[in-house]
Formats: sequence, C-alpha cells, structure tokens
Amino acid sequence: DQQVKQNSPSLSVQEGRISILNCDYTNSMFDYFLWYKKYPAEGPTFLISISSIKDKNEDGRFTVFLNKSAKHLSLHIVPSQPGDSAVYFCAASERGYQKVTFGIGTKLQVIP
Amino acid sequence: GAVVSQHPSRVICKSGTSVKIECRSLDFQATTMFWYRQFPKQSLMLMATSNEGSKATYEQGVEKDKFLINHASLTLSTLTVTSAHPEDSSFYICSARDPSAGGPATNEKLFFGSGTQLSVL
Repeated sequence: DQQVKQNSPSLSVQEGRISILNCDYTNSMFDYFLWYKKYPAEGPTFLISISSIKDKNEDGRFTVFLNKSAKHLSLHIVPSQPGDSAVYFCAASERGYQKVTFGIGTKLQVIP
Repeated sequence: GAVVSQHPSRVICKSGTSVKIECRSLDFQATTMFWYRQFPKQSLMLMATSNEGSKATYEQGVEKDKFLINHASLTLSTLTVTSAHPEDSSFYICSARDPSAGGPATNEKLFFGSGTQLSVL
C-alpha cells in the first residue's frame, strides 16, 4: 500500500523550460512534505519542504505547491538546468513522527 | 551540509553468510539513525530506527533477528544482515539526523549515506 505515489517514473524537459514533478498521497495524517534529490551513487539530499498549513513554498528556482483537498503536491523547477538532472523523491511525515514515507521517485532529465 | 558515510557501497556474498553495513556521521553526532531498503521499482522503505545506546525500533514485517542493528556510539550505526538469502538482495541506505542543521522541521535535518547494493548469490 503506497501512501506516497509518484506516477511518472521519468520526465524529460528542455533546458530553460519548467519542470513539474507530481506527487499524490493517501494518508490524511501527513502534515509535512519534503522533496529530496538524488544523483547516481549518492544518497538523497533534502531540497525543499512544505508544511500542511501552507499551500506554497518557494526557494530560488524551486517551488512546491500543496493541494490538501486533492492530496496532491508538485515541485516546479524554473528555469530547468542540466544540473537538475537527477531522481526526485517526494516524501511525507506525520506531525510528531520521525518516520518519513517516500515515493518511488521520478527521474528528471534536462536536455541542453 | 552534514556528511554521512556508508560502507561498503556494494557487496556480493554467498547465501547463508552475514553481511555488515556501516553508517557513520562524520561531522555531527547522531542520536538517531534510520535504515531503509529499496527493491527495484519500489520506494525507499523504512526498516528500523536506531537510537544510540538503546534497542532499535523495527517496522512491521522486518525481522529483528535477521537484521541486527547496533548503534553503539553517536557517530556509528551498523546493520548486519544475518544468514543472507537471495531475497535479501536489495539497496540498503542509512540516514542520520543532525539536530543542528536545516530548518525548524526535524525531517529537514536528515542526511543520507550513499547506500549499499547487496547481492546475495
């Protein structure tokens, strides 16, 4: 039973355009959401997060949007750069819990 | 950011042998470390939470006698896969929480090792 779903295994985007990575969740107890980025042969690194009390969080080229009613979040990267090519994991946690539940990941390729 | 070192990165072993994987926090003290497993085309699944100086907390369905976790110091946690079988072949990855890093939310302070690909023949 996957509580965090990333339905697109891969995505290709032209350099300079917007990349949109999507994530859906089923557990209504999740109240904190995170995106991690993973390069080959490295561990995931924290990218950006959003609390359930917000619907948008922006950090430079990265913006995460949260739609609680739809149990959906998305990561926007604009403009996309070749160095953004990586696997992006969506993750979620419940208030007060240390456990983080991950999605399967979406492999982003930014084409120069 | 904080650095977590995981070793080895890849191991191939025969069925029935035991394999030990180390996870070290290099520049911070981690009272809590986490061990995950990822099978092909599946998500990272939490196996257990390792607390320094106490017994690990295992997730449902994870055999604690098969996956031995030791967190004897604030910078080292080990996962030993005992009597490994081909079905244990997977990608194992650890993470550690640096209390001094990141934003206000505790889960922003997680730093991951680079993972260990275990293949059991």
